[in-house]
Amino acid sequence: QIVLTQSPAIMSASPGEKVTMTCSASSSVSYMHWYQQKSGTSPKRWIYDTSKLASGVPARFSGSGSGTSYSLTISSMEAEDAATYYCQQWSSNPPTFGGGTKLEIK
Amino acid sequence: EVQLQQSGPELVKPGASVKMSCKASGYTFTSYVMHWVKQKPGQGLEWIGYINPYNDGTKYNEKFKGKATLTSDKSSSTAYMELSSLTSEDSAVYYCAREEGNPAWFAYWGQGTLVTVSA
Repeated sequence: QIVLTQSPAIMSASPGEKVTMTCSASSSVSYMHWYQQKSGTSPKRWIYDTSKLASGVPARFSGSGSGTSYSLTISSMEAEDAATYYCQQWSSNPPTFGGGTKLEIK
Repeated sequence: EVQLQQSGPELVKPGASVKMSCKASGYTFTSYVMHWVKQKPGQGLEWIGYINPYNDGTKYNEKFKGKATLTSDKSSSTAYMELSSLTSEDSAVYYCAREEGNPAWFAYWGQGTLVTVSA
């Protein structure tokens, strides 16, 4: 199965700071999805098909990448963005998730 | 509005089985595949498998074959997952998630069912 490695595992950012987290795949994938999960709640769809924002996701978020390297970027960190973000692929079975990047606010 | 309402927390003994539910509303139940995802405390997400309520077709992660059984009831728009021969390793939150799109992703999630395996 394809292993997704997210880095960093934990990071913190100040309000207004640009944030970038990455997802590395053990084999090439055609796309990447991203989910946001806040403590005690279920994951939410966030970015799909590498770069498309789910409904309601602020425009400060963006996604990019190809092959084995993908990233999620926040142009200007806000307090509400503090959460854990998971990448996910289904280019090959089984669908797999990364281990998550926990983003904290400074 | 799409909603997935999962059954409540379960406390079960080692070796026992548990069956949890995921009641769908706000859309045509048989039109979308339903997935199940496991999350152990403080850990990441793990895909268990899916059921297609239209034809009851299923696909499982090899790791969960023999552990999880997925079923559905069209009359009540409810998906079920039964876990058998429970051990402490099965203690986790289990989510149902509705598939959508091409490429498919997990567009809607239930609130999760916490299963605790303890004597």
